[in-house]
Amino acid sequence: QVQLQESGPGLVKPSETLSLTCSVSRYSINTHHYWGWIRQSPGKGLEWIGSIYQSGYTNYNPSLKSRVTISIDTSNNHFSLRVNSVTAADTAVYYCARRSGYDPDYYFDYWGQGTLVTVSS
Amino acid sequence: SYVLTQPPSVSVAPGQTARISCGGNSIGSKSVHWYQQRPGQAPVLVVYDDSDRPSGIPERFSGSNSGNTATLTISWVEAADEADYYCQVWDSSSDHYVVFGGGTKLTVL
Repeated sequence: QVQLQESGPGLVKPSETLSLTCSVSRYSINTHHYWGWIRQSPGKGLEWIGSIYQSGYTNYNPSLKSRVTISIDTSNNHFSLRVNSVTAADTAVYYCARRSGYDPDYYFDYWGQGTLVTVSS
Repeated sequence: SYVLTQPPSVSVAPGQTARISCGGNSIGSKSVHWYQQRPGQAPVLVVYDDSDRPSGIPERFSGSNSGNTATLTISWVEAADEADYYCQVWDSSSDHYVVFGGGTKLTVL
């Protein structure tokens, strides 16, 4: 059973950088799967942030692309998210997930428990 | 970018059948995936590729997709089914890629 666990600061100041890591266990990150980040603002729906492949290839939500970087560390079996210049609108529960399926139909079959990040001074 | 439209809420009595719709332009030409999210928990995939179920998901959960509407059907609804449900597609025609519907709150009366 694939397990994902998000970690990182729960509080970030406005204009600073949000940094999270997703540790994957019981499954190698160095496979044919993509790995993604999804967030959910309080009381709102799900918003895809971006995804990364083992090679480092990424794709991002165009609405966030200018501020987001996703990276991968296959040696330590984790991948990471950075969001620059955060504002209160970036306050959300951040989930990491494994992407499965076949081109052009993909879905997220394993999710982390999520971590709440609050942007506040 | 591609838009998925879900009703904000659906209510059903225990033992009855709940149907949650997901509308999109020619959605029948795409594969639709459904997630269940109970309060305070992470989403769980309940249907993928329109009508397939991951292991461990009860047969009570089924899906269909045709034309401009996909539907998640939950038969013999139980109190534990009360949750938010989200549909999702992969939109390869734009660079937006992953698209989620706005979510539907299922209330078990």
